[in-house]
Amino acid sequence: EPEVTQTPSHQVTQMGQEVILRCVPISNHLYFYWYRQILGQKVEFLVSFYNNEISEKSEIFDDQFSVERPDGSNFTLKIRSTKLEDSAMYFCASRVDSYAYEQYFGPGTRLTVT
Amino acid sequence: TQLLEQSPQFLSIQEGENLTVYCNSSSVFSSLQWYRQEPGEGPVLLVTVVTGGEVKKLKRLTFQFGDARKDSSLHITAAQPGDTGLYLCAGAPNSGYALNFGKGTSLLVTP
Repeated sequence: EPEVTQTPSHQVTQMGQEVILRCVPISNHLYFYWYRQILGQKVEFLVSFYNNEISEKSEIFDDQFSVERPDGSNFTLKIRSTKLEDSAMYFCASRVDSYAYEQYFGPGTRLTVT
Repeated sequence: TQLLEQSPQFLSIQEGENLTVYCNSSSVFSSLQWYRQEPGEGPVLLVTVVTGGEVKKLKRLTFQFGDARKDSSLHITAAQPGDTGLYLCAGAPNSGYALNFGKGTSLLVTP
């Protein structure tokens, strides 16, 4: 069964460093999302992406964050200068088309900022 | 932001018992999705409900969407230890919009 994959599974970085989190959405899906979950808190929406453009973003997704689909399969989240409070699980999700409601999540990348 | 309140927050039951968990909001959703999440893993989609009053069954799990599309419930019959996990509800105002998640119900089923 097709699934969303994410790499790395765990990333440790120092405050102020740039990180890139990678996702491979399900191959025929057109809509892509990033969410995050701080330890012990609920899953929070960051950004949605369709047709090579951001379609929606939350107030969390400030200028330090960017997303890109560099090729036909990868979808990346870049954090330009990490802060301690960026430590969280980051989940990528994808959705097949505009008629579908379901979003399928990847296993997540645990980002630890020290 | 449309808030989703899940209750109870924690539930510990013995194998074989039945249980119901709830997901409530003051807002209307076009759909609600239920996910199950294991520690350190991503949410796994269980079901999507779209129509007010809709009932969906997934083996021993029964999901219902409220008539006004503001709330949903998950009922588990004869719970098993394998049902242990965090159950999350998530809704969106329209198809494709950002999902708003509840904080989840943490279920523990003991043998």
